[in-house]
Amino acid sequence: GESVGLHLPTLSVQEGDNSIINCAYSNSASDYFIWYKQESGKGPQFIIDIRSNMDKRQGQRVTVLLNKTVKHLSLQIAATQPGDSAVYFCAGSPQAAGNKLTFGGGTRVLVKP
Amino acid sequence: EAQVTQNPRYLITVTGKKLTVTCSQNMNHEYMSWYRQDPGLGLRQIYYSMNVEVTDKGDVPEGYKVSRKEKRNFPLILESPSPNQTSLYFCASTPWGGTSGNRADTQYFGPGTRLTVL
Repeated sequence: GESVGLHLPTLSVQEGDNSIINCAYSNSASDYFIWYKQESGKGPQFIIDIRSNMDKRQGQRVTVLLNKTVKHLSLQIAATQPGDSAVYFCAGSPQAAGNKLTFGGGTRVLVKP
Repeated sequence: EAQVTQNPRYLITVTGKKLTVTCSQNMNHEYMSWYRQDPGLGLRQIYYSMNVEVTDKGDVPEGYKVSRKEKRNFPLILESPSPNQTSLYFCASTPWGGTSGNRADTQYFGPGTRLTVL
């Protein structure tokens, strides 16, 4: 089955620096990946997604990189701001399973002023 | 306003006492799902529903039931709750994107229900 995990449970970053959050997955059939942001007391919020036929996708201040060779994806946040402090989850979905998402354990990002 | 609502938001109950957590969405979405969130484990999918009367098990369905009699509602039922079901529960809904699958960028999560089973 799908297994998605995160390398670091907590990431401290200085305001204004770039943040990089990593995620590994085990199922080579995984077709679709999503990054979510969850602020304290709230449900997860979509940030950006990427399909396996791409290796990079950019959004507003965020970039997701996908390396299918080593089954790794990362989320880069440019110029991290205090409002970026949250827990970030990656999630993956094998195409064969339709829309069944498997989430990683989460990385807490702490932005230092 | 587009939203997913869950009720109750907080619930403390005792082992074996049947309970239902309601989930309702006002966006006419086809796909709805339930997750539980536990420290260090992220979100794990309990059940999902592709449309009315179509439900399927997620990764951790044991001890839970769901129903989808109407498009807008997707209640989560715990027939005989146990302490290991103490968790934070999220309902989510997404419009069906056909062959593209779910549109995660339009996936909405509810505010969460914190359940404690004593």
